[in-house]
Amino acid sequence: GAVVSQHPSWVICKSGTSVKIECRSLDFQATTMFWYRQFPKQSLMLMATSNEGSKATYEQGVEKDKFLINHASLTLSTLTVTSAHPEDSSFYICSARDAMYNSPLHFGNGTRLTVT
Amino acid sequence: SQKIEQNSEALNIQEGKTATLTCNYTNYSPAYLQWYRQDPGRGPVFLLLIRENEKEKRKERLKVTFDTTLKQSLFHITASQPADSATYLCASLEVNRDDKIIFGKGTRLHILP
Repeated sequence: GAVVSQHPSWVICKSGTSVKIECRSLDFQATTMFWYRQFPKQSLMLMATSNEGSKATYEQGVEKDKFLINHASLTLSTLTVTSAHPEDSSFYICSARDAMYNSPLHFGNGTRLTVT
Repeated sequence: SQKIEQNSEALNIQEGKTATLTCNYTNYSPAYLQWYRQDPGRGPVFLLLIRENEKEKRKERLKVTFDTTLKQSLFHITASQPADSATYLCASLEVNRDDKIIFGKGTRLHILP
């Protein structure tokens, strides 16, 4: 089945530094990948849609200059949290579809970001 | 505004019994609903998709129903096992978006041995 690999699985960084999270589709090509954020006991909230070869589409309220997304190839999207602050601490999860737009999402295992 | 809700935050079920989880939607008519399983510290895993013209879908011990009159989907796990303990999420496309899937908050299911 379709596999999405996400790295790192957890990261601790200091305030003011930047953190990059990678999301790879291992056995399929993903022209579109999705980045979600999840707080404890809360729903997954879509942050942005990453499109291969073009700019990402950000959801309302998500700062594009803070959460930089690059989708340089059909199998790799990266999310960089710039100038991280403690309130950015969260669980970030990427996902992708391997087929039509109404097909299910395949998720990575998420990245637990802690900003100290 | 569009809402997808899972009203039970947590559910405890005795091993061997059937677990039934509820997903309600309001102010829209989704063409389909999806159910995912999420274990702690992991990404969700897709389980089942049911379309609006399907009353029921089954996969092994899992069964999903879609009632457009009640605006509700039920997710059943029969002969539940402790390994079924997880958070279960229902999801659908957001209105007027063909790419954005929105999720309910999930129901934490505990199967008690």
